[in-house]
Amino acid sequence: EIVLTQSPDFQSVTPKDKVTITCRASQSIANSLHWYQQKPDQSPKLLIKYASQSFSGVPSRFSGSGSGTDFTLTINGLEAEDAATYYCYQSSGLPYTFGQGTKLEIK
Amino acid sequence: QVQLVQSGAEVKRPGASVTLSCKSSGYTFNDYYLHWVRLAPGQGLEWMGIITPSNGIARFAQKFQGRVSMTRDTSTSTIYMDLTNLKSEDTAVYYCARGPIFDYWGQGSLITVSS
Repeated sequence: EIVLTQSPDFQSVTPKDKVTITCRASQSIANSLHWYQQKPDQSPKLLIKYASQSFSGVPSRFSGSGSGTDFTLTINGLEAEDAATYYCYQSSGLPYTFGQGTKLEIK
Repeated sequence: QVQLVQSGAEVKRPGASVTLSCKSSGYTFNDYYLHWVRLAPGQGLEWMGIITPSNGIARFAQKFQGRVSMTRDTSTSTIYMDLTNLKSEDTAVYYCARGPIFDYWGQGSLITVSS
């Protein structure tokens, strides 16, 4: 099983900050890594597909990078509405897996 | 537009079984895998399994082997998941999502397991 480890687990941030969340895979997954945002009582939403491709309708402040085992989600110019839990997910091989999540709290 | 509409919330006793449904519309049902994912209280998203709508073949996370089955009805573009021998730890919101990138999600079905 491919284990995804996110860092940090929790971060308290201020609007306009630049936020970086990392996701490390236990083995190479090429670019089969996707990022999601989930707010309380809502279904998750796709932000970034295949490591660096923005999904339609997602604000441009969200970007992704990386390949192989190390990946990054960056939020440039954090907004209050970005308070949420963020997850990475790998579709490289079964069983598919999620990272443990990173909760962003807005100060 | 693409929609995944799930069945409603249920309360179950420990040891019981539950059947969840997820009805697809707005796209060709056979063209995309469908997955089940759950979110338990205080936990993260957990991948449970995948079904291929065109042939009904399903694969599951090891953790659920023996307790889960997934089926589909192509006439109604609906997938089903049966989870048996429910435990309190199965209390969660269960989601269906369209693969491979989970671009569309159902609204979630809250399953509460309590005596």
